[in-house]
This record gives sequence, structure tokens and C-alpha cells, in this order.
Amino acid sequence: KNQVEQSPQSLIILEGKNCTLQCNYTVSPFSNLRWYKQDTGRGPVSLTIMTFSENTKSNGRYTATLDADTKQSSLHITASQLSDSASYICVVSEGGYQKVTFGIGTKLQVIP
Amino acid sequence: KAGVTQTPRYLIKTRGQQVTLSCSPISGHRSVSWYQQTPGQGLQFLFEYFSETQRNKGNFPGRFSGRQFSNSRSEMNVSTLELGDSALYLCASSLSPGLAGAGDTQYFGPGTRLTVL
Repeated sequence: KNQVEQSPQSLIILEGKNCTLQCNYTVSPFSNLRWYKQDTGRGPVSLTIMTFSENTKSNGRYTATLDADTKQSSLHITASQLSDSASYICVVSEGGYQKVTFGIGTKLQVIP
Repeated sequence: KAGVTQTPRYLIKTRGQQVTLSCSPISGHRSVSWYQQTPGQGLQFLFEYFSETQRNKGNFPGRFSGRQFSNSRSEMNVSTLELGDSALYLCASSLSPGLAGAGDTQYFGPGTRLTVL
């Protein structure tokens, strides 16, 4: 069964600090991996999308990495801001776009 | 450009009733996908429509159904509601079909919060 596991489940960091969220998956064959940010009470917003051949993708202070060999991805947030407080969801698509598997998400809280 | 809109935003129903949720995609988007989100299960894919045809379906019982109209607007229906159907139902639209379309971003609506009593 295809799975996407995210860690940690929740995280509290001080404003201005960096953090890294992890995503491990067993989805095969792999097509692409996306990271979404979901603010409380709102729908998810796409941050990055990476295909098999891409190792790194940046979007402002967000940098996603992908190691397709170990089936691991990470989302690094630099110089965190209070507005980064949200849930971050990792989504892996199976080849042939027939299926997607979502992680449960990591809930990040940035405190002043 | 207006984003994805969903109506209603909140809904309270009792067990056994049925409910219809509506989604209007971004103008020009022809693909609409529906998701259920609960704290314990996270996001789960329900189905995807493109050009009025269901292209993909998740592992949900037949009580969950949907349709798409010629203007790309979509509705989702849940019959014989159960307590476990309480969730946030999200709709997302994109230009082309296929959840794995590289480079094609899905845009989510704010969701409909359904509570079943």
C-alpha cells in the first residue's frame, strides 16, 4: 500500500529560526511530489512541485528537496515568520496520474 | 481573477439525511477534484471531473457521488449521512486533468465544513 509519512506531527519554533519538515514515501511508480501549505480554515496552497529528475525547488523562503533513491523529501523554511504558522502537507502522485497519496501533514507554529 | 468558490461554507445535517455541496472552479479551469479532510485521516481524494466526465475516483462508498456541468461547475452529493462523514470537503480546480500533471497547479477552495449530528 502506498504511504506518505510526515514528521514531525507538530513543531513550535521561534520567529526568525529555520526549520525542516520531512516526508518519506513508498509510492511507486513515482510521478511527482508536491508540498502544500494550509492555513487554518482555508484550502491548501501549492508551494512546490518536483518530478523525478529534480533535486531542489525553491519558492521564496521555502526550499524543497527530493531524493528519489531513498524516497525522501524535505521542506526547509528559512527565517520563519508568524505567517508561516500552518499545516504543511506532502502529496505524492503515482505514475500515470491515477492515484495520489497525501501525508497527514506537519502542524507548524511560529511564536514571537 | 476569482478563486475557487465553494458553497455553503458550513453545513449541519443529521444522520440519514443527504447533502449537496457546490464548487465553482477558476474561470477557464476544466478539471475539478474533490477531497475529504479529517484530523485523523488528513486529505483523501474523492473524485476528479474533467469536461463533465469522471476521470478518477478514490476509495469511498457509493453514497458519495458527484457531477460536473458544462460550465465546469461541480457538485458533490452524499446520501444517507453518517457521523463519520463530518469533515471539511475541499474542491480544487486546474487547467488540465490528472492529479500528477507536472507543472499544473491545483487551486483549492476554502472548503465546506460539514457536521453530521
